[in-house]
Amino acid sequence: GAGVSQTPSNKVTEKGKYVELRCDPISGHTALYWYRQSLGQGPEFLIYFQGTGAADDSGLPNDRFFAVRPEGSVSTLKIQRTERGDSAVYLCASSPWTSGGGSTDTQYFGPGTRLTVL
Amino acid sequence: AQSVAQPEDQVNVAEGNPLTVKCTYSVSGNPYLFWYVQYPNRGLQFLLKYITGDNLVKGSYGFEAEFNKSQTSFHLKKPSALVSDSALYFCAVRARGFKTIFGAGTRLFVKA
Repeated sequence: GAGVSQTPSNKVTEKGKYVELRCDPISGHTALYWYRQSLGQGPEFLIYFQGTGAADDSGLPNDRFFAVRPEGSVSTLKIQRTERGDSAVYLCASSPWTSGGGSTDTQYFGPGTRLTVL
Repeated sequence: AQSVAQPEDQVNVAEGNPLTVKCTYSVSGNPYLFWYVQYPNRGLQFLLKYITGDNLVKGSYGFEAEFNKSQTSFHLKKPSALVSDSALYFCAVRARGFKTIFGAGTRLFVKA
């Protein structure tokens, strides 16, 4: 079946602009994660959704970052007033919920969106 | 503070030899531990995980990892390396809630 998809694959913007990054999770996956990966580093947790609600947004670096998942499927990460330091690969992952009511914990990652802020 | 350490930036091994990629962690409570692999121009892929039970966990592509609670380690191993195993490997730990913390990654280079 189809995996996690992310659009655009590349985004170049100017400092101060607004950007939206989209994630389409695997169909039926209720858990969705956003990460940021800078060069030479591991993914850095940003936010976790269970269904439509953000269950943990403790990784969002500041109030310029915001994410939504209005229908419990597609998610959009929004960055206002972009800064050069926001340049990174933004990863999305989804995870199924087991019939027993718990997360399987295994995350399925998309290919990422490479954001470059000039 | 919760953290994951991968002490080696790169591991070099000859094809057919055993390989070990090291990972240590610091987390409150019982950890959920994971290994992911990232091939060039491809997304992160799940290899294996430890949640509970047997300390030796077997995963995809012949990889296994051993959970050692006293040493707070979760080293990735494979008995016989393949050139195609060359990739970037990430250890990760799930702390309280669903926040997953990743290590900085270890590049594995398998020479033919």
